Amino acid sequence: AQSVAQPEDQVNVAEGNPLTVKCTYSVSGNPYLFWYVQYPNRGLQFLLKYITGDNLVKGSYGFEAEFNKSQTSFHLKKPSALVSDSALYFCAVRDLLTYGNKLVFGAGTILRVKS
Amino acid sequence: DSGVTQTPKHLITATGQRVTLRCSPRSGDLSVYWYQQSLDQGLQFLIQYYNGEERAKGNILERFSAQQFPDLHSELNLSSLELGDSALYFCASSATSGGDTDTQYFGPGTRLTVL
Repeated sequence: AQSVAQPEDQVNVAEGNPLTVKCTYSVSGNPYLFWYVQYPNRGLQFLLKYITGDNLVKGSYGFEAEFNKSQTSFHLKKPSALVSDSALYFCAVRDLLTYGNKLVFGAGTILRVKS
Repeated sequence: DSGVTQTPKHLITATGQRVTLRCSPRSGDLSVYWYQQSLDQGLQFLIQYYNGEERAKGNILERFSAQQFPDLHSELNLSSLELGDSALYFCASSATSGGDTDTQYFGPGTRLTVL
């Protein structure tokens, strides 16, 4: 089965410091990987995706993610965190084993950025 | 704003009742997806429709059903509601062939509370 794991329930970082939110995947074949962010009482917002190509993917709001095939990871990064980045972050993989286009989500990681 | 709209934002009802959640996809998107977000199950895929036809099914209960209408809006019907059905229900849509078919854009969700 296609799956992603987010090993940290919560990540705390000081404003201005770099941040990393971790994600590892387990898939058959080439992975289609996504990051979404959920602010309180809001829907999920798409940040970025990796389908193929360059291992470093740039997305919205200054976020980027690095695809690492040997480590089966797709960590989300930002060089300088903002307090407004505090939210719930989800890693997801497209399930290529079943018909359709469903996403399989990780459990989510709460990011807290303190000023 | 993703362009996906969902109504109502909040729904409070009693056990045993039936409710209908409505979703309008982004303009031009033929695919609509429904997901459930709960504290114990996380984000789970329920069902996908493409241009009026069911395309993929996830862990959707038999008490739940969905449909997509000719104008492409979709409805998720939940019946014989139980306390455990309390959750945030998201709708998402994605582009058709020729566009970015991989990225799903999510609506703001409908928070269902079953008392």
